[in-house]
Amino acid sequence: DTGVSQNPRHKITKRGQNVTFRCDPISEHNRLYWYRQTLGQGPEFLTYFQNEAQLEKSRLLSDRFSAERPKGSFSTLEIQRTEQGDSAMYLCASSPAGEQFFGPGTRLTVL
Amino acid sequence: SQQGEEDPQALSIQEGENATMNCSYKTSINNLQWYRQNSGRGLVHLILIRSNEREKHSGRLRVTLDTSKKSSSLLITASRAADTASYFCATDKGGGNKLTFGTGTQLKVEL
Repeated sequence: DTGVSQNPRHKITKRGQNVTFRCDPISEHNRLYWYRQTLGQGPEFLTYFQNEAQLEKSRLLSDRFSAERPKGSFSTLEIQRTEQGDSAMYLCASSPAGEQFFGPGTRLTVL
Repeated sequence: SQQGEEDPQALSIQEGENATMNCSYKTSINNLQWYRQNSGRGLVHLILIRSNEREKHSGRLRVTLDTSKKSSSLLITASRAADTASYFCATDKGGGNKLTFGTGTQLKVEL
């Protein structure tokens, strides 16, 4: 399968713990995006990379959130000191330009 | 924040009927995209229409764009049960950066 992959698919954690998600984009895509989706809503943009450079961050991305894309390949999204409000589906997408290809998402539940 | 809204929020039709969904947005755009989301396959790109285009077709899908009214519509002809999903419009303001999604239309196609 050459699509976008995300790991883990599900994560349950206790409030205050740190979590890290991984996204492997389609190999030839230089653009990578992270979105967050809560129940009944459309995805909301979090951050965007072109190769290894993080070019834009949403105000939704508080100081507890950090994303990296070392070497312009896979990306990680870390949430420190998780809160119940962080519970959501975290989606990763990659793109050559225009159309974005989404991964299956990581569903985070913070107890 | 959400760019705009889809209308209706929910739509239930019989197989074989046509389904029309509308999307309104707030700011100038470079292109508008429609995505489908269901639990089995995640977010899937359907069609992209550029700001200088008025209508586009892809198989059973027809998309229109009226930039003067800041609105778009998605028509699915001869619907099938497999079309049951949530449909989102997403706007790209240019530069291939973030997509801003609407709130979605839940379509149910009954046999």
